[in-house]
Amino acid sequence: NAGVTQTPKFQVLKTGQSMTLQCAQDMNHEYMSWYRQDPGMGLRLIHYSVGAGITDQGEVPNGYNVSRSTTEDFPLRLLSAAPSQTSVYFCASSEGQDYNEQFFGPGTRLTVL
Amino acid sequence: AQTVTQSQPEMSVQEAETVTLSCTYDTSENNYYLFWYKQPPSRQMILVIRQEAYKQQNATENRFSVNFQKAAKSFSLKISDSQLGDTAMYFCAFMKYGGGADGLTFGKGTHLIIQP
Repeated sequence: NAGVTQTPKFQVLKTGQSMTLQCAQDMNHEYMSWYRQDPGMGLRLIHYSVGAGITDQGEVPNGYNVSRSTTEDFPLRLLSAAPSQTSVYFCASSEGQDYNEQFFGPGTRLTVL
Repeated sequence: AQTVTQSQPEMSVQEAETVTLSCTYDTSENNYYLFWYKQPPSRQMILVIRQEAYKQQNATENRFSVNFQKAAKSFSLKISDSQLGDTAMYFCAFMKYGGGADGLTFGKGTHLIIQP
């Protein structure tokens, strides 16, 4: 098993550009989520999905879109990047929403100039 | 909403010593879970240990153990016989039963440095 994979590992964008951060898992997990980590902070939940076709907002959803067309993939879209979105982004998956261990991807470091 | 507070931004101990990282939380929930995650310089988030709030017995995983005080809303992590590889950021995290839109709520982290 590859676990949770994220691409790219690093990305630099200019303000106003759009891009998609990719996340995939091969563990047949129903629950997937996106977090962002800012300096001196813990991770904060952006969006989550409890299964294919179902997504919902977390704590900090503004400026981000998600979709879940398959169990394996959960991409995060930035439609018009802003410097405030400079952060490290983590994708996570688990068998369910609560107690089950959350498996994290290696993260994507995004810089918006 | 829940909050998680880690009051020690950085700690440094000698190899083989025992170190305790502090975590307090605030919630009105009765059923929840608590976690400690390790983030080494590689950036990977690694689950260290977890505790169900309904269990009175403190969780242990090899050299890692917790002191869970539900009434005080305290959840500290003890690392025994510390090793150089334990150097990392450590995050305390809370999840209410059912997870959902709140997901994991993290503290700001403690940077633990193990000195040779």
